[in-house]
Amino acid sequence: DIRMTQSPASLSASLGETVNIECLASEDIYSDLAWYQQKPGKSPQLLIYNANSLQNGVPSRFSGSGSGTQYSLKINSLQSEDVATYFCQQYNNYPPTFGGGTKLELK
Amino acid sequence: EVKLVESGGGLVQPGRSLKLSCAASGFSFNDYWMGWVRQAPGKGLEWIGEINQDSSTINYTPSLKDKFTISRDNAQNTLYLQMSKLGSEDTAIYYCARIVPYFDYWGQGVMVTVSS
Repeated sequence: DIRMTQSPASLSASLGETVNIECLASEDIYSDLAWYQQKPGKSPQLLIYNANSLQNGVPSRFSGSGSGTQYSLKINSLQSEDVATYFCQQYNNYPPTFGGGTKLELK
Repeated sequence: EVKLVESGGGLVQPGRSLKLSCAASGFSFNDYWMGWVRQAPGKGLEWIGEINQDSSTINYTPSLKDKFTISRDNAQNTLYLQMSKLGSEDTAIYYCARIVPYFDYWGQGVMVTVSS
């Protein structure tokens, strides 16, 4: 199975700040990577697919980048509604696997 | 509007079976792969498996292949997850999701608690 390692595991940031979350795959996943946001008590919501494509309806302050084994999610100008846990997921190889999550809180 | 609504969860004794359902609406159900993902309390996401449009291809995560069975009824726009030989490690929220091949829509989830 492809192992997805997310960092940091938790993050505290201020309103208006820029936040970066990293996801490292144990092998090349050829940009077959998605990012999800999960707010407390809710189901995950798709933010980014194919490493850098923004899902319809997702604010443009979210962006994704990366290739090969290294990927990142960037949140510009952090808003209070961005408090959530963020997961990456590879879908290049079976079984699809998720990162362990990054819990984002407000400072 | 795409909607996925899971049902059938609850408290079940160890070793017993349980069948979850996921009712889909707002899209052409028989055009999409569908799948199940679970999340143990306070933990991350685990892919369970997926089924293609006509049920001719079903894939499972290897560790659950002998315990869980995914099926669908396109006439009823419903996805199923039959779970057997349940143990405490199966306590989780179970989500159904549409696959494209990432998960673009998720249900609200249903809680399954395995305990005596």
